[in-house]
Amino acid sequence: EAGVAQSPRYKIIEKRQSVAFWCNPISGHATLYWYQQILGQGPKLLIQFQNNGVVDDSQLPKDRFSAERLKGVDSTLKIQPAKLEDSAVYLCASSLVGDEQFFGPGTRLTVL
Amino acid sequence: AQSVTQLDSQVPVFEEAPVELRCNYSSSVSVYLFWYVQYPNQGLQLLLKYLSGSTLVKGINGFEAEFNKSQTSFHLRKPSVHISDTAEYFCAVSDRPAGTALIFGKGTTLSVSS
Repeated sequence: EAGVAQSPRYKIIEKRQSVAFWCNPISGHATLYWYQQILGQGPKLLIQFQNNGVVDDSQLPKDRFSAERLKGVDSTLKIQPAKLEDSAVYLCASSLVGDEQFFGPGTRLTVL
Repeated sequence: AQSVTQLDSQVPVFEEAPVELRCNYSSSVSVYLFWYVQYPNQGLQLLLKYLSGSTLVKGINGFEAEFNKSQTSFHLRKPSVHISDTAEYFCAVSDRPAGTALIFGKGTTLSVSS
């Protein structure tokens, strides 16, 4: 069974630029999560989807971050414009409803 | 709000030695606890979880953890570590057994040397 796929794996941008990350969850997983992991810290939830609806986006900085899951399958997370403090690993996870989360390898973002 | 504290940021040990990685959580009526491992440049993998029942939980790769409600702890142990156990370990808590966001600790780096 294929795992959670994320791309790109690495991205370097300058501050005030825009960037987008893509996640393809495990087939059949209705729930999808985006986490931000800053160096030296544990992952922090940014947004949770169930199918194409948002369950929790209370910690998403909505002035610059946006996410969508239009067809209830893959998802994109966008940052516009990026700040230095957005440098982090962005992890995508998916699960069956009410079940264990499986994590992708992450996208490492460096903002210069 | 729930929180998790991992008491050691780095734990260096020699191969075949025992290890304990410490985790404390904020008390709550319902608490569900997890340990994840993250190898370099990889995503997180679930090691074990406590949902209910026996307080001693066994996981993959020979790891186990004990839920201690009175001390609000969920320490991870392994009697004999291998070089391949070198990784970052995260303790996490949730107010539901599954299907909701996890709150993670800051992580403990386990470094196993020969």
